[in-house]
Amino acid sequence: GAVVSQHPSRVICKSGTSVKIECRSLDFQATTMFWYRQFPKQSLMLMATSNEGSKATYEQGVEKDKFLINHASLTLSTLTVTSAHPEDSSFYICSARDQGGTSEAFFGQGTRLTVV
Amino acid sequence: DAKTTQPNSMESNEEEPVHLPCNHSTISGTDYIHWYRQLPSQGPEYVIHGLTSNVNNRMASLAIAEDRKSSTLILHRATLRDAAVYYCILRKWGATNKLIFGTGTLLAVQP
Repeated sequence: GAVVSQHPSRVICKSGTSVKIECRSLDFQATTMFWYRQFPKQSLMLMATSNEGSKATYEQGVEKDKFLINHASLTLSTLTVTSAHPEDSSFYICSARDQGGTSEAFFGQGTRLTVV
Repeated sequence: DAKTTQPNSMESNEEEPVHLPCNHSTISGTDYIHWYRQLPSQGPEYVIHGLTSNVNNRMASLAIAEDRKSSTLILHRATLRDAAVYYCILRKWGATNKLIFGTGTLLAVQP
């Protein structure tokens, strides 16, 4: 079945640095991908919709200059957390759907970001 | 977006059926009912979806009320690996339509 892969699965970074998370659709093309954030014992919160070849659409309250999204190809979207702070520590998850497939969305395995 | 309401948690015994309810009284005619589940420290995975008719697949069954204001996810024989948070989500058709997650139901399966 279709697979979405995230990299890295875990990352620890220092405050003030930037971290890039990659999301790849391995066997299908995705013009749209979604980025979520999940804090412990909470549900997934949609951060933004990543659109191939155009600007991402951010949800209300999500800082676009802090969470940079680049969707440069039909199989790759990246999320860069800029000038990370401890409060950005979270579980980041991407999702994509096969344009030509069924209705199900495929999710990456998630990236655990810890900012120290 | 139409909202869904689910119990915060449920318990089941291994190898017994589990019925996970979801209320969506403000559902519109173009809303599909989706179910996803999330195992600990993993991304969610698709379980099943439907529009009006009941649906079956290898993972579960979805029973949809005639008025579509509620639905029930049925796991026919729960296993320990089914312990997860189950999310009932309404989504309109289309690849660009986003999934908005509610709080879900935490299912515990006892051996």
